[in-house]
Amino acid sequence: EVQLVQSGAEVKKPGESLKISCKGSGYSFTSYWIGWVRQMPGKGLEWMGIIYPGDSDTRYSPSFQGQVTISADKSISTAYLQWSSLKASDTAMYYCVRRHSGDDAFDIWGQGTMVTVSS
Amino acid sequence: SYVLTQPPSVSVAPGQTARITCGGNNIGSKSVHWYQQKPGQAPVLVVYDDSDRPSGIPERFSGSNSGNTATLTISRVEAGDEADYYCQVWDSSSDHYVFGTGTKVTVL
Repeated sequence: EVQLVQSGAEVKKPGESLKISCKGSGYSFTSYWIGWVRQMPGKGLEWMGIIYPGDSDTRYSPSFQGQVTISADKSISTAYLQWSSLKASDTAMYYCVRRHSGDDAFDIWGQGTMVTVSS
Repeated sequence: SYVLTQPPSVSVAPGQTARITCGGNNIGSKSVHWYQQKPGQAPVLVVYDDSDRPSGIPERFSGSNSGNTATLTISRVEAGDEADYYCQVWDSSSDHYVFGTGTKVTVL
């Protein structure tokens, strides 16, 4: 079964760092782009960025450039999203997604990681 | 940046047809994808490349795209179709992915 499994929920304080993960299985991890999508409480979906694990080519949405870092370790089929200094406004659900082969839809979604930033 | 606009809400009676629009400048020249998100769940792809359905998605879900509007049509609506729906495109000019504002479908 093709799936993306994300790390568990996190509760952090403002200013702390965080790295969440997304492990792919059931397919060739290095052959598909992996993206990250933010959903703030009660709000819509926002594309954050995307990485090609085969060569680590990475693109960011202008809204998130410089705010987060996307990386991947192809040896363990895992992509990451990290923050160096969290803010309360980073409180949201974060989904990793696989880009569909041959087009630009997101065909596989992780279960989501809830990040709560509160003092 | 490219903007996709959806109506905030659509209401439909069971058995009727729901149509959800997604407006964007010359969207007909792009491939449009649609996602369904039920409360507390991750989104699911229901239509890709304007009108194709992933395996397991009922034929009741269909899509079209022309000019400045793409449309997701849900035929013979069921209570289980109540969810938020999002359109999405890839903007080649910026190499960025864009989601629509989302539409909440309520089954009366």
